Parts: sequence; C-alpha cells; structure tokens
Amino acid sequence: GAVVSQHPSRVICKSGTSVKIECRSLDFQATTMFWYRQFPKQSLMLMATSNEGSKATYEQGVEKDKFLINHASLTLSTLTVTSAHPEDSSFYICSASPGGLNNEQFFGPGTRLTVL
Amino acid sequence: AQTVTQSQPEMSVQEAETVTLSCTYDTSESDYYLFWYKQPPSRQMILVIRQEAYKQQNATENRFSVNFQKAAKSFSLKISDSQLGDAAMYFCAYRSYNFNKFYFGSGTKLNVKP
Repeated sequence: GAVVSQHPSRVICKSGTSVKIECRSLDFQATTMFWYRQFPKQSLMLMATSNEGSKATYEQGVEKDKFLINHASLTLSTLTVTSAHPEDSSFYICSASPGGLNNEQFFGPGTRLTVL
Repeated sequence: AQTVTQSQPEMSVQEAETVTLSCTYDTSESDYYLFWYKQPPSRQMILVIRQEAYKQQNATENRFSVNFQKAAKSFSLKISDSQLGDAAMYFCAYRSYNFNKFYFGSGTKLNVKP
C-alpha cells in the first residue's frame, strides 16, 4: 500500500513552453501533497505544500506564478511549470500524506524535466 | 525554521561491516518525528526507519538501527552487515509533531565495497 505515482517520468520541452506534472496517490487519500525540487547531488528542496481544495502554500523564494500547483482531489495534485527556461531543468519529486495520525510522507518516483 | 545537518557528504564501508551515518538537528520543539530515507540511483525515496521523539527506545528495523540522543539533538543511523544494495544517498529528515512538513539534511552518499 501507500503508492504514489508521477507522470511523466521524463519530459523534454522547449524554452517558453509549459509543462504539467501529475502526482497521484493510488491507494490512499492524500489530504496534503508536497512538491520538491532536487538538483544533482543535492538534497530535496520543498517548493510548496498543497491541501485538497485550497491554495498551495509556497516556500520562500518559489514563484507561485511560475510553478502552478493544483490539488483538485484527494488523490491528484499537479505542478505546472509555466514558460519554462533551461534553469528550470531539474528533478521534481512529489509526496503525499494521509494526514491525521499518520506522520509519514510517501514519495513519488520523480520527474526529470529538461528544458532546451 | 528547523535545520537538519549531515556532516558526512560521503562514506564508504566494506561489505558485511558496520557503518554509522550522522545527523544533528536544531529545534525548539519537544515533540517531533525523525526519519532516515534512502535514495538509490533510481531516485525513488525509500523510508528506512523512523523515530518518535517522545519514545526513549531507539528504533530498529532489521539491520538498521538509530541512536537517538534527544538532549544532544542527534539521530545517527547504524547499518549492520552492510550489503551492496545499501549503496545509496541517505537523507535524515525532521517533521514537526503538529505541522506536516519535512526538513531534509544535505545527504550522505554511502558506498559499499565488495
């Protein structure tokens, strides 16, 4: 149990285009989902926290208009990188939390974004 | 904000030997959770072990155990009988008891030599 999927696993796009990444909790309802960014050989950097049905909370320094997050249901959150540029190339990881007494986050397999 | 520090960027261990990865954290909270995650080359984050701060007993999961020193704010991971499959990046993480948000350390790359 507690499986989180991400789609796509890899995406290559041209500079200036927008890219959408999906994160799904397959066998549980996620009251909260998190989006992380990971540069090569570095740690996970939290970008934003999203709760179902409400606006995402962005970490300091993360542009909310650039990284649009939607958490439309208890099993799906999306991250849209708008007007992508080469510096947005990175590994993006989502995680999902059932909340309540469960203190864990379950991680998706990640999405590698390359902007040409 | 809470900070998590892993002072060992890279460690090596001989297969079947024991290795200890260090983690310290800074917090003013009394209740919280601590985690060790493994990230193999596939990049999938895998939970290794977790510890609740209110529990004095150190958590153990098969070959993995922790040394949790609350007063010293230290949370080290011991891997016994190291296996080639243990080679990965290991991240220490802190989660507040009341706030569902993780803070990660910078990671330690573990190499296992055959």
